[in-house]
Amino acid sequence: GAGVSQSPSNKVTEKGKDVELRCDPISGHTALYWYRQRLGQGLEFLIYFQGNSAPDKSGLPSDRFSAERTGESVSTLTIQRTQQEDSAVYLCASSLELAGGTQYFGPGTRLLVL
Amino acid sequence: GNSVTQMEGPVTLSEEAFLTINCTYTATGYPSLFWYVQYPGEGLQLLLKATKADDKGSNKGFEATYRKETTSFHLEKGSVQVSDSAVYFCALSDHGNNRLAFGKGNQVVVIP
Repeated sequence: GAGVSQSPSNKVTEKGKDVELRCDPISGHTALYWYRQRLGQGLEFLIYFQGNSAPDKSGLPSDRFSAERTGESVSTLTIQRTQQEDSAVYLCASSLELAGGTQYFGPGTRLLVL
Repeated sequence: GNSVTQMEGPVTLSEEAFLTINCTYTATGYPSLFWYVQYPGEGLQLLLKATKADDKGSNKGFEATYRKETTSFHLEKGSVQVSDSAVYFCALSDHGNNRLAFGKGNQVVVIP
């Protein structure tokens, strides 16, 4: 594919609602990553998927956060019972191989929890 | 754990000035090092990278050298343009887990 795509580009939700964010990686990329960028901060790692291996979930901030990926395609990040501190830009990236591979980022989903 | 430290605060300079953005890192292994750039209204893009000590990454007139002895990867450009105005992030990837650890980023504003 042309690049990593994400949807929606913007999401406004009320505190307590669930949200689902989608990422389409570059075709053929086996590794997929989710990061969060809060205002004025660097990116925080959330989770990554590599092929059919068990995902590394060690960056997820709470059990309200979960993610799924079907094979080597689309991934969905779900945030349940959203809180105001979840407001951030959620970025997805994919790479061709695992060790030291360059990660290519999508445009992000800007989430605002009111 | 792995971490990246960038110099504090935005950087404002005139066109054709020399730019340096400092980046130092802490890592348990031998990481790959990256500079990513985020232009206004755009997504994060890889600017350059270096995968081992003494390697120099370069792109668009920017350079950074992987210095293991000082654990640094400072970004430099000899003559900046207005179009270089962006936020610059230093990052590292530990080959053991491949997640990227980012610095907080530096806003660079180039004035005509």
